[in-house]
Amino acid sequence: DAMVIQNPRYQVTQFGKPVTLSCSQTLNHNVMYWYQQKSSQAPKLLFHYYDKDFNNEADTPDNFQSRRPNTSFCFLDIRSPGLGDAAMYLCATSRLGGYEQYFGPGTRLTVT
Amino acid sequence: AQSVTQLDSHVSVSEGTPVLLRCNYSSSYSPSLFWYVQHPNKGLQLLLKYTSAATLVKGINGFEAEFKKSETSFHLTKPSAHMSDAAEYFCVVSERTGTASKLTFGTGTRLQVTL
Repeated sequence: DAMVIQNPRYQVTQFGKPVTLSCSQTLNHNVMYWYQQKSSQAPKLLFHYYDKDFNNEADTPDNFQSRRPNTSFCFLDIRSPGLGDAAMYLCATSRLGGYEQYFGPGTRLTVT
Repeated sequence: AQSVTQLDSHVSVSEGTPVLLRCNYSSSYSPSLFWYVQHPNKGLQLLLKYTSAATLVKGINGFEAEFKKSETSFHLTKPSAHMSDAAEYFCVVSERTGTASKLTFGTGTRLQVTL
């Protein structure tokens, strides 16, 4: 089945220690998105890629970066995690010009 | 700008009774509307979508929603709740922004199902 995969499902990192979250997709979609979701809140868009074209949301902190080496993979890098960055991180994809987004299972990040 | 209002933050029903989760939207043109479900520590799963075809939309797991333009509503219903329906439900409106889509989420409704 075509899907969006996120690894790891749970990640623990130390305050200030860089961490990378991974997303892959077998849907062959052009667009990939990263969302941050804090407890009891709706997901908040951090940025998205259309192919290799990176689009950052205006209020996304510089501490969050992303890489997309190919169509299938996209990475979220948190350069210096703070306690406030503990959250669920969701990856999603969509077709070019499509309204619908397909979500992965998420990575739960804990910062100690 | 588009927006979505979920009228209830928490709904509790007994197993076997009907479910109604309410959603109102605001959009300057014909919207694309979705309901997503999120179980604890899981990603978002698409339940159903409205994209200007039939106004009564059937989704997975027995859920359906009716688009009512005159009331600007897109309420989610299910005739008989099951324990496995307990989760967070998000009503979402989507708009195209060039090559991508921008999702505007409601604040979510937590559905509790009791025996």
